[in-house]
Amino acid sequence: SAVISQKPSRDICQRGTSLTIQCQVDSQVTMMFWYRQQPGQSLTLIATANQGSEATYESGFVIDKFPISRPNLTFSTLTVSNMSPEDSSIYLCSSYGGVTDTQYFGPGTRLTVL
Amino acid sequence: EDKVVQSPLSLVVHEGDTVTLNCSYEVTNFRSLLWYKQEKKAPTFLFMLTSSGIEKKSGRLSSILDKKELFSILNITATQTGDSAVYLCAVEKIGGSQGNLIFGKGTKLSVKP
Repeated sequence: SAVISQKPSRDICQRGTSLTIQCQVDSQVTMMFWYRQQPGQSLTLIATANQGSEATYESGFVIDKFPISRPNLTFSTLTVSNMSPEDSSIYLCSSYGGVTDTQYFGPGTRLTVL
Repeated sequence: EDKVVQSPLSLVVHEGDTVTLNCSYEVTNFRSLLWYKQEKKAPTFLFMLTSSGIEKKSGRLSSILDKKELFSILNITATQTGDSAVYLCAVEKIGGSQGNLIFGKGTKLSVKP
């Protein structure tokens, strides 16, 4: 299975600031994704991180709010911009492809916005 | 609209009990169904099912898929307190972004000593 690390694991941020979350996979993977899990809710896909090009965003999510980078096949970042308390959530990256045909998740980043 | 429905939403049992978690789906272009266990933050992979009627088994956990009736079950026998978690069912679609999963809301399992 792919081993995925994320950092930070948690953060408490002030309203109006931005936070960048990093995701590192231990092997080259075809796809990387970013999910959000709000309190008491299931996982919602934010976007697919495309290597070398702009991310593909799901309905309700926009690049200005959630800029994403994927400079290579093992690394991606998600930025939560101009944060508000409604952005308090767990953010998870996941990977698919490469040596496995299964989607695995990183450990998640718990974000609290005051 | 694609949807994945899990039941029950929550369940409380005692150690040693056997539980069955349900997942039904209405998804176009079905590719596979996956079960995850979520403790604290990150979902950990349990099973991926692509064919009807073939049971996947790992220790006390097992799962099976019925593609005709569009559902899957996850069984846990001889439950232990360490089984307490949210169990997520997700369906992967053919086409679009491979690996894009549609999640159910999860079943929260609590196992009491």
